[in-house]
Amino acid sequence: DVKVTQSSRYLVKRTGEKVFLECVQDMDHENMFWYRQDPGLGLRLIYFSYDVKMKEKGDIPEGYSVSREKKERFSLILESASTNQTSMYLCASSLWSLQGAWTEAFFGQGTRLTVV
Amino acid sequence: AQKVTQAQTEISVVEKEDVTLDCVYETRDTTYYLFWYKQPPSGELVFLIRRNSFDEQNEISGRYSWNFQKSTSSFNFTITASQVVDSAVYFCALSGNNRLAFGKGNQVVVIP
Repeated sequence: DVKVTQSSRYLVKRTGEKVFLECVQDMDHENMFWYRQDPGLGLRLIYFSYDVKMKEKGDIPEGYSVSREKKERFSLILESASTNQTSMYLCASSLWSLQGAWTEAFFGQGTRLTVV
Repeated sequence: AQKVTQAQTEISVVEKEDVTLDCVYETRDTTYYLFWYKQPPSGELVFLIRRNSFDEQNEISGRYSWNFQKSTSSFNFTITASQVVDSAVYFCALSGNNRLAFGKGNQVVVIP
């Protein structure tokens, strides 16, 4: 079974802190993603990565950065946390299909971040 | 741009009733995938099914069934004889052209 593991289930951080959310997958997937989930807004893509050291902005990248130094690990960084970044953060990984689209993404258990 | 629309937000049914979740998508890609995910109260998104743009065959898996119609850009999901364990948020998603886009989800509440 595919396993995507996020380092924390719950986090509480103060405004202005630098926050690291870590994600590891064990299935050798090329692609990894970070989403945030908010009530009424569904899942919104923050960043994704299709290879080591490669990253692409998603739909809401402002206030975030990412790092992918190894294939299995994808980190989301909040440079200076703000209260509007309080949310559920979901990491996922997937493969490329032969036809060039992403196959199904497998998700971690989520990190509920509260910024106070 | 990719777009997924799930019109209903919350759907309540009495146990053993059927429930159908509608998903309409927009894409300019000729190759794409469609998915359904379930998110129970525990929070983890669970993958249910994948369909690619070349395969319009409908599928049944136990009490779940899916109806993919390319002509209407729809990929609907039906739960037959619903059970309390089906209470969850269900997401439809679309993959193509470097995007994996999700709908806003349907909250399904099954009342015993």
